[in-house]
Amino acid sequence: DAKTTQPPSMDCAEGRAANLPCNHSTISGNEYVYWYRQIHSQGPQYIIHGLKNNETNEMASLIITEDRKSSTLILPHATLRDTAVYYCIVQIQGAQKLVFGQGTRLTINP
Amino acid sequence: KAGVTQTPRYLIKTRGQQVTLSCSPISGHRSVSWYQQTPGQGLQFLFEYFSETQRNKGNFPGRFSGRQFSNSRSEMNVSTLELGDSALYLCASSLGRINSPLHFGNGTRLTVT
Repeated sequence: DAKTTQPPSMDCAEGRAANLPCNHSTISGNEYVYWYRQIHSQGPQYIIHGLKNNETNEMASLIITEDRKSSTLILPHATLRDTAVYYCIVQIQGAQKLVFGQGTRLTINP
Repeated sequence: KAGVTQTPRYLIKTRGQQVTLSCSPISGHRSVSWYQQTPGQGLQFLFEYFSETQRNKGNFPGRFSGRQFSNSRSEMNVSTLELGDSALYLCASSLGRINSPLHFGNGTRLTVT
């Protein structure tokens, strides 16, 4: 079973920041938080990952709480092309096995 | 750099047949993983190969198998197809190091009739 909990859907206006929450209260100390997204008819796309510090790249920012029990993915200026299902995943140690939950369906409205 | 390539893009098979799907990873990536995506079960891990060896396996029956070649290309095979095998099959490649991000292809859409 997935170790994360996400809201099933969210809406955001184009040009605004989209903030996607994720709960992972049972995360282990050496597990990372990964975010992927899946646009319709495509494979999942890696966005960002982090352990305990906040991370930023060209796509998004990841804010992880100090107790590491939750995180927020921030898309700073959402566009229509950001409409997708966003998956928050806690990486299982060892192999390249990801356990996907149901994700959050983010809809960006014009 | 070219992305992960999966062929064919679409496939229609009949119950009882077998099927082979192909995946070419990103150049330099030695790990290839396979996932099944269905509306009911979502994305589920099938198996992972690294340097031609299966390194991890999900909870799928033995009808699902795979292999990896010396050039890191991978194939998965499903024998004795069932209607429930209809799904999007996704391949992902990575450097294979712990916590390396996965890079997914756009999948093969398999329909079993």
